[in-house]
Amino acid sequence: KNQVEQSPQSLIILEGKNCTLQCNYTVSPFSNLRWYKQDTGRGPVSLTIMTFSENTKSNGRYTATLDADTKQSSLHITASQLSDSASYICVVSAGLEYGNKLVFGAGTILRVKS
Amino acid sequence: DAGVIQSPRHEVTEMGQEVTLRCKPISGHNSLFWYRQTMMRGLELLIYFNNNVPIDDSGMPEDRFSAKMPNASFSTLKIQPSEPRDSAVYFCASSRETSSYEQYFGPGTRLTVT
Repeated sequence: KNQVEQSPQSLIILEGKNCTLQCNYTVSPFSNLRWYKQDTGRGPVSLTIMTFSENTKSNGRYTATLDADTKQSSLHITASQLSDSASYICVVSAGLEYGNKLVFGAGTILRVKS
Repeated sequence: DAGVIQSPRHEVTEMGQEVTLRCKPISGHNSLFWYRQTMMRGLELLIYFNNNVPIDDSGMPEDRFSAKMPNASFSTLKIQPSEPRDSAVYFCASSRETSSYEQYFGPGTRLTVT
């Protein structure tokens, strides 16, 4: 069964600290993995998209890693800011022959405190 | 660039009424996606179109839901008749194509069915 599991479910950190969010998936075949940030009351915004051959991708203070062998991804946030408080959603896309089916994780809710 | 435009932003209706949600994708994007988000189920893909043609509607919950894309700049999601369990935030997103390009989400329509 195609699944995406994210951990932790929620996280509270102090401003300025780093944190890492995890995403494990069983989706096969694999096309790409996306991380989205969703602020409360708004639509998700794409942070990174990674294909099979990419191990690391950065977007400012956000760095995503992908291990296609173990089917794990992580999103590392450096020097967190209050504006990083949001839900972070991991989404995996199956291959073209499966219509690029998207499988969503439940998200990690991050709260950054001052 | 105006981004993905959705209307209405909020809709409150009574059970049994017809509800129509509207979406205008970003100009030049040829893929359009409808999502539903609830606390219980998270983000779910309902249907997506490529070049105005529905490609995968397996996420549409039941026959009460229907979606159309009469042209490249407009899509509707209709619920008839609506039920309280349809209460959710409905997002529309567009991208240049379905596979590796990032999706841009609209602000969402918060639907409440009483």
